Amino acid sequence: DARVTQTPRHKVTEMGQEVTMRCQPILGHNTVFWYRQTMMQGLELLAYFRNRAPLDDSGMPKDRFSAEMPDATLATLKIQPSEPRDSAVYFCASGLGLRSNNEQFFGPGTRLTVL
Amino acid sequence: SQKIEQNSEALNIQEGKTATLTCNYTNYSPAYLQWYRQDPGRGPVFLLLIRENEKEKRKERLKVTFDTTLKQSLFHITASQPADSATYLCALGLPLKSGGSYIPTFGRGTSLIVHP
Repeated sequence: DARVTQTPRHKVTEMGQEVTMRCQPILGHNTVFWYRQTMMQGLELLAYFRNRAPLDDSGMPKDRFSAEMPDATLATLKIQPSEPRDSAVYFCASGLGLRSNNEQFFGPGTRLTVL
Repeated sequence: SQKIEQNSEALNIQEGKTATLTCNYTNYSPAYLQWYRQDPGRGPVFLLLIRENEKEKRKERLKVTFDTTLKQSLFHITASQPADSATYLCALGLPLKSGGSYIPTFGRGTSLIVHP
């Protein structure tokens, strides 16, 4: 059955290194979200795309984070340079917007540890 | 300030009882409210949506109420089972800062533990 996939599932890196996380949304979905989840802050929205266009990235630290959708089957979230405070689980979600109760289908997440 | 509040303490109940979880919010006017379930190590899974003009929604053993005057939603699981143990997140449909779309903004969730 259709699922959102994310790679890698786990990433351990050192401070200052570049990290790229990838997401394949469900085929046919026109909205894509990136979230970060930590114990302290819960689920925070980082970026939102509709029809591959970025509509909101106000939750994202602009100096080090960037999100793109090079095509309809791939969304990327990049951190450069990474810092220990970026350690979190990063979720990608896709959906059909208002046509489907705004239901979001979440991927399994990428657990990032920055040492 | 704007807040979405869910009880940070875990809710422990006995199997067969009704579990009731609360989502309170301040200074928001959401167009809808959703409930998601999240299991350890997994992404959230959508359960139910209730719109601002609806009072109650049901799906199998789940019931959600939405009181826009009290700014509160209650999420009920009847005849609870140990398999219902998970973290439950509420999400408010709020407008983007740029306007137009309403997208979910999540609370931090409440852990439910159902004991056999």
